[in-house]
Amino acid sequence: RKEVEQDPGPFNVPEGATVAFNCTYSNSASQSFFWYRQDCRKEPKLLMSVYSSGNEDGRFTAQLNRASQYISLLIRDSKLSDSATYLCVVLSNQAGTALIFGKGTTLSVSS
Amino acid sequence: DTGVSQNPRHKITKRGQNVTFRCDPISEHNRLYWYRQTLGQGPEFLTYFQNEAQLEKSRLLSDRFSAERPKGSFSTLEIQRTEQGDSAMYLCASSFGQGEFDEQFFGPGTRLTVL
Repeated sequence: RKEVEQDPGPFNVPEGATVAFNCTYSNSASQSFFWYRQDCRKEPKLLMSVYSSGNEDGRFTAQLNRASQYISLLIRDSKLSDSATYLCVVLSNQAGTALIFGKGTTLSVSS
Repeated sequence: DTGVSQNPRHKITKRGQNVTFRCDPISEHNRLYWYRQTLGQGPEFLTYFQNEAQLEKSRLLSDRFSAERPKGSFSTLEIQRTEQGDSAMYLCASSFGQGEFDEQFFGPGTRLTVL
């Protein structure tokens, strides 16, 4: 089983739509979780951290369910500029510092 | 530009040749990481430095791969006797190394093509 699993998509949505991405992780001892965004042929950039209590940043909401080992990202009122690959990321306990990435979920927002 | 920089941005080589990539982290960042990303996959961790000390290496880092960070600033990643399977984007990241959340900032990557 992969350490971090995501549905690769692609998700094709119209502008203004709400879209949700899900991710599961295998290491129950993992403590830190993130969503990164990667534009085509660019480097990954941190979108937001994911906290147990859930957190929101504008149109983006991240949730963590430790019991189910499940992470989600909700994007409301999608914009064309949201088109990218969204990477679910877990901080490895073994290395202490290595980020473990999922394959990424591709989002395409159209007008 | 005060971000992470990587050189070269692209490298095409023939199978069996050696290649070396360079990463310049954000100044004052004492942690430096190397990752590899192939098409359709997320980045995979290769190795990590705290200052000049290489503290962690992934099983992905075969004997043909070697990384250094001699003065705790820039780092090099060398691949000897390249194979077609080495074709990938090699990403470098750096972080400050303190605080509860130690954000890793990625460079633009070096895209390697092995013919």
